[in-house]
Amino acid sequence: GDSVTQMEGPVTLSEEAFLTINCTYTATGYPSLFWYVQYPGEGLQLLLKATKADDKGSNKGFEATYRKETTSFHLEKGSVQVSDSAVYFCALSDRGGSYIPTFGRGTSLIVHP
Amino acid sequence: EADIYQTPRYLVIGTGKKITLECSQTMGHDKMYWYQQDPGMELHLIHYSYGVNSTEKGDLSSESTVSRIRTEHFPLTLESARPSHTSQYLCASTDTGGPSAFFGQGTRLTVV
Repeated sequence: GDSVTQMEGPVTLSEEAFLTINCTYTATGYPSLFWYVQYPGEGLQLLLKATKADDKGSNKGFEATYRKETTSFHLEKGSVQVSDSAVYFCALSDRGGSYIPTFGRGTSLIVHP
Repeated sequence: EADIYQTPRYLVIGTGKKITLECSQTMGHDKMYWYQQDPGMELHLIHYSYGVNSTEKGDLSSESTVSRIRTEHFPLTLESARPSHTSQYLCASTDTGGPSAFFGQGTRLTVV
């Protein structure tokens, strides 16, 4: 079945540091890939997405590239801010299958001033 | 702007009580989902629906039930709450034409 594996947290960084959160996936079909963000006490919000190989999703300084050859979708940001502190979820939706969103376990990011 | 609403946001209830968590969306999405989020943040799919009168159990066994009588409404019911049901419950929806999920703000349930 479909699955998503992302790096365990927490990831602790100083403000303005470079961020990478690794995500790899397994899917039988042709998935769309997503990053969602969850702030404390809230639901998940879509951060960015990519629907086919080599697409780059970007939003609010975050980027991720759909790499079919390595089945990866790593999240990056060049300079994090304290306000980026949250939990980040990698996810996929399989167009060839049920379309039910499948999530990774989440990675907590803590950014210190 | 996504419009999916969950009520209540917080609920503390005694063991044995019947409760219904409400979820409504105004986007006309066909597919709706309930996830249980454990303290370690992982999301577990407990129910989903492809449309009106369609309900399916998810990956995680749950003592809850759901109904889908109207497209916009997908309530989750616990007939007899137990402390093991204490958790955060997240409702989401997706459109058939697009795979992005929209989430409500969640209901944090505590059973004492």
